[in-house]
Amino acid sequence: DVKVTQSSRYLVKRTGEKVFLECVQDMDHENMFWYRQDPGLGLRLIYFSYDVKMKEKGDIPEGYSVSREKKERFSLILESASTNQTSMYLCASNLGPSYEQYFGPGTRLTVT
Amino acid sequence: AQSVTQLGSHVSVSEGALVLLRCNYSSSVPPYLFWYVQYPNQGLQLLLKYTTGATLVKGINGFEAEFKKSETSFHLTKPSAHMSDAAEYFCAVSDALGDDYKLSFGAGTTVTVRA
Repeated sequence: DVKVTQSSRYLVKRTGEKVFLECVQDMDHENMFWYRQDPGLGLRLIYFSYDVKMKEKGDIPEGYSVSREKKERFSLILESASTNQTSMYLCASNLGPSYEQYFGPGTRLTVT
Repeated sequence: AQSVTQLGSHVSVSEGALVLLRCNYSSSVPPYLFWYVQYPNQGLQLLLKYTTGATLVKGINGFEAEFKKSETSFHLTKPSAHMSDAAEYFCAVSDALGDDYKLSFGAGTTVTVRA
């Protein structure tokens, strides 16, 4: 069974902290994605990666960075967390544009 | 970038009634089209997708959707709602040409099923 796992389901951090969200997929997928999900806004793409060490900005990259050192792992980094980054973060992976994206269960991040 | 519009942020249906969720997109090129479902406290799960071929596609749990190019629509239907269909549904679109890997999502429609 295909699987995308995320390091935490719930996370509470303080303003200004550095936050790491990790995502691992076991499907040997080339592409990995980070989204944030907010009520009424759907999913918005933060960053994606189409190969190891390769990354592309999505629609809302400000305040975030990413790292992909191994094919199966894609990390999202909040350099200095702010309250407006309180959200649900979803990781996904797929083989290519015509293929479905497989999603992890999400990390609900609260920044206080 | 694609624009995806889901008409109605909330839909309430009676158990056994038709479920109809509307999705329109803006695209001048052939798209790939997807419907995803999200149950509470879970990630998104694919319901169905259209890439090429038959414009009426069937998915899991009795859902189906029809791609209508002239209307730039990909509406999702289920003939008879079940309590387990209560969830949030997202329409998503990606461009079939070029190497754009990105999916554009609609804002989502929350479905409530009344007993």
